[in-house]
Amino acid sequence: GENVEQHPSTLSVQEGDSAVIKCTYSDSASNYFPWYKQELGKRPQLIIDIRSNVGEKKDQRIAVTLNKTAKHFSLHITETQPEDSAVYFCAASMRNAGKSTFGDGTTLTVKP
Amino acid sequence: DTAVSQTPKYLVTQMGNDKSIKCEQNLGHDTMYWYKQDSKKFLKIMFSYNNKELIINETVPNRFSPKSPDKAHLNLHINSLELGDSAVYFCASSQQGGAAEAFFGQGTRLTVV
Repeated sequence: GENVEQHPSTLSVQEGDSAVIKCTYSDSASNYFPWYKQELGKRPQLIIDIRSNVGEKKDQRIAVTLNKTAKHFSLHITETQPEDSAVYFCAASMRNAGKSTFGDGTTLTVKP
Repeated sequence: DTAVSQTPKYLVTQMGNDKSIKCEQNLGHDTMYWYKQDSKKFLKIMFSYNNKELIINETVPNRFSPKSPDKAHLNLHINSLELGDSAVYFCASSQQGGAAEAFFGQGTRLTVV
């Protein structure tokens, strides 16, 4: 089955700096790669996603890149703000797989 | 008009008891899930249902029994609760059998004492 590895497990940055979280996946058939943000005590919520026919996607301060050959994808957050502090999960799935396989999460702390 | 709602939000119970968690989605999605989030924050799939049919059971103990009476509901019943069952349980739903955004419920924090 699919296996998703996520690094780092914790990340601390100064406000205004950039943060990068990386994930690798094992199943070359996976074609959908979402990123979820989970604030303390809340539910995970999608912040950005990318499909395998695209190499990069941006949404304001957030971007995701995908390298299908190497089977890895990354989340980039620029100009970080304290409210970006949360746990971030990457995931990988394919149509009709019946699930997304999640990475173990990255706890991002943005220091004011 | 909550998209995915699950109840209760908190559940404190003694070892050996049986409890249920209910989940409903009003998004018209065809796939529903139960995820378990442990104290280390890992999100692990437990069950996945597509149009009321069980399609994934990730080696979850038999004490856990999901039930989907219709496409919009997926309940979780747990028998003979153990201390190790303490966790946050999230219900979620999505389209396209998983290859689309998953919408999560608010979570149920289960504490077994």
